[in-house]
Amino acid sequence: SQQGEEDPQALSIQEGENATMNCSYKTSINNLQWYRQNSGRGLVHLILIRSNEREKHSGRLRVTLDTSKKSSSLLITASRAADTASYFCATDAYSGTYKYIFGTGTRLKVLA
Amino acid sequence: EPEVTQTPSHQVTQMGQEVILRCVPISNHLYFYWYRQILGQKVEFLVSFYNNEISEKSEIFDDQFSVERPDGSNFTLKIRSTKLEDSAMYFCASSEGTGRSSYTFGSGTRLTVV
Repeated sequence: SQQGEEDPQALSIQEGENATMNCSYKTSINNLQWYRQNSGRGLVHLILIRSNEREKHSGRLRVTLDTSKKSSSLLITASRAADTASYFCATDAYSGTYKYIFGTGTRLKVLA
Repeated sequence: EPEVTQTPSHQVTQMGQEVILRCVPISNHLYFYWYRQILGQKVEFLVSFYNNEISEKSEIFDDQFSVERPDGSNFTLKIRSTKLEDSAMYFCASSEGTGRSSYTFGSGTRLTVV
């Protein structure tokens, strides 16, 4: 599997519910980021979590990182229709230089 | 808030033509990147650029691709002879620190090769 795979691939929930997306990766990382992409638009940075951090919050977003399981989760609480987008995790990969490698993404649909 | 600017937002080109995609990174950022996303697929790394030279490039970034920072502010991606499979969204990004810092992405250029 690829470095950075999100699960589920697609998620449909009702407005007000919580949405949880997971990301698994294969190699050791220093940082992991979550990005959001509205359909056909650019990538918006949400949160960066470092390997020595276990949890970070930003507004309605909560990100956890479990380096022993090589996994991260993004929780969006009290979802809104405007949260409908694709969400990607990106992990820093070192092969001479650092760069971020993106996962396959989770398509979230929040129904009003 | 500073942003990365990409132009044009959409470009249609004939197969075999050269295209140049333009990006203006954030002014105090030192590291620059190009990524692409074929419709419905994942975001793929193309190339990183630092100190006026390529730091790393992926297998996708073959001899048809080149990057340049011609004037200290713009960062361009050139595709010399476009193919149908080059149709994708191309994203430019910049970061202040090394590749471990958070990236700021532009809104992308949608390239359509016909």
